[in-house]
Amino acid sequence: KQEVTQIPAALSVPEGENLVLNCSFTDSAIYNLQWFRQDPGKGLTSLLLIQSSQREQTSGRLNASLDKSSGRSTLYIAASQPGDSATYLCALKLTFGKGITLSVRP
Amino acid sequence: DGGITQSPKYLFRKEGQNVTLSCEQNLNHDAMYWYRQDPGQGLRLIYYSQIVNDFQKGDIAEGYSVSREKKESFPLTVTSAQKNPTAFYLCASSIGGHRGWNEQFFGPGTRLTVL
Repeated sequence: KQEVTQIPAALSVPEGENLVLNCSFTDSAIYNLQWFRQDPGKGLTSLLLIQSSQREQTSGRLNASLDKSSGRSTLYIAASQPGDSATYLCALKLTFGKGITLSVRP
Repeated sequence: DGGITQSPKYLFRKEGQNVTLSCEQNLNHDAMYWYRQDPGQGLRLIYYSQIVNDFQKGDIAEGYSVSREKKESFPLTVTSAQKNPTAFYLCASSIGGHRGWNEQFFGPGTRLTVL
């Protein structure tokens, strides 16, 4: 059974810092990997989808990479802003990580 | 606007009552999903449906029931058999169907509280 792990559970950084959020998974036979953002009390917003045949995807200040051989994906956020404060979740098929709660300090 | 709607936003239930959560999408997606989110637990799959008139149990289906009579609708009933129903419920959809697992889009969620 697929397991998805996101460590640490929480992260606090000063504004302007570049940061990397990690996601690890146990089963490399994946269709695709999706990164989401969730604000408190809200639904999930899709950020990036990486197909299993792809290595990375980019959207604005966000870049997500996928390494199936090592069972890892990373979400890179460039020049972080207070508005980036939220919980970031990764998901493979129907299995979600518990998320990383990011706080960007002004 | 295309999207997924869930209603109500907040729902209160007395012990022993069944309640139904609504989920509607106008994205013409084949697949729809229900997840439950508890603090510190992440999202857990309750039921999913890849096509009309078909649905499958997820990891925590006990105490829940669903129907999929129309492509755009996937209501979730929380029955009295669900011992700890207080949670945030999220509905999602994707192109899915028999074409595989694709990008999921989520509704705004329903927060259910048992009184």
